[in-house]
Amino acid sequence: ETGVTQSPTHLIKTRGQQVTLRCSSQSGHNTVSWYQQALGQGPQFIFQYYREEENGRGNFPPRFSGLQFPNYSSELNVNALELDDSALYLCASSLGRGVGANVLTFGAGSRLTVL
Amino acid sequence: DAKTTQPPSMDCAEGRAANLPCNHSTISGNEYVYWYRQIHSQGPQYIIHGLKNNETNEMASLIITEDRKSSTLILPHATLRDTAVYYCIVSAGAGSYQLTFGKGTKLSVIP
Repeated sequence: ETGVTQSPTHLIKTRGQQVTLRCSSQSGHNTVSWYQQALGQGPQFIFQYYREEENGRGNFPPRFSGLQFPNYSSELNVNALELDDSALYLCASSLGRGVGANVLTFGAGSRLTVL
Repeated sequence: DAKTTQPPSMDCAEGRAANLPCNHSTISGNEYVYWYRQIHSQGPQYIIHGLKNNETNEMASLIITEDRKSSTLILPHATLRDTAVYYCIVSAGAGSYQLTFGKGTKLSVIP
């Protein structure tokens, strides 16, 4: 059973650029969630996808968007990067939308630095 | 989701039990208590969850008070590898799509 893998692990962008982060779910999971973790803070929920549809969204602007593919892998896209977007971006997968949906398997994250 | 209160930091001697408290006085009847931990430079790791009964798995035990307003995560024999930030989260089960992480408790296991 493979875990959650994310790519790239580290990247540096400049303000105004766009970035795409990728995530492969744990085998058998059909739900993907994305979180942003600023330095010294707990992870903050961005959005969740269930069977290719957005299932919920946190307090993030529309320039944060996502996709989930038929194989349940996912992408997070951020447009018009700002300095405050510098953070660790975490992908997590889970199964279904019941109690088990909150038993998340996290990846190691993608560390984004915006200069 | 209800909010939680945790001490910012705790120390525990290696080999002793680590007892991490969490207050969730506004928890609703349909909300579960989840515990996650995050070891430095890694993604969070699920530990355990419960509704009202005490729960135990291979990693830890979760003790929830009868009024459900607080809980304690117990690591029975702490090792240096248990040094991490521990997050207590309350969330509804079905229909809930996000976990609200606070700042957690930084547990330092001391040799």
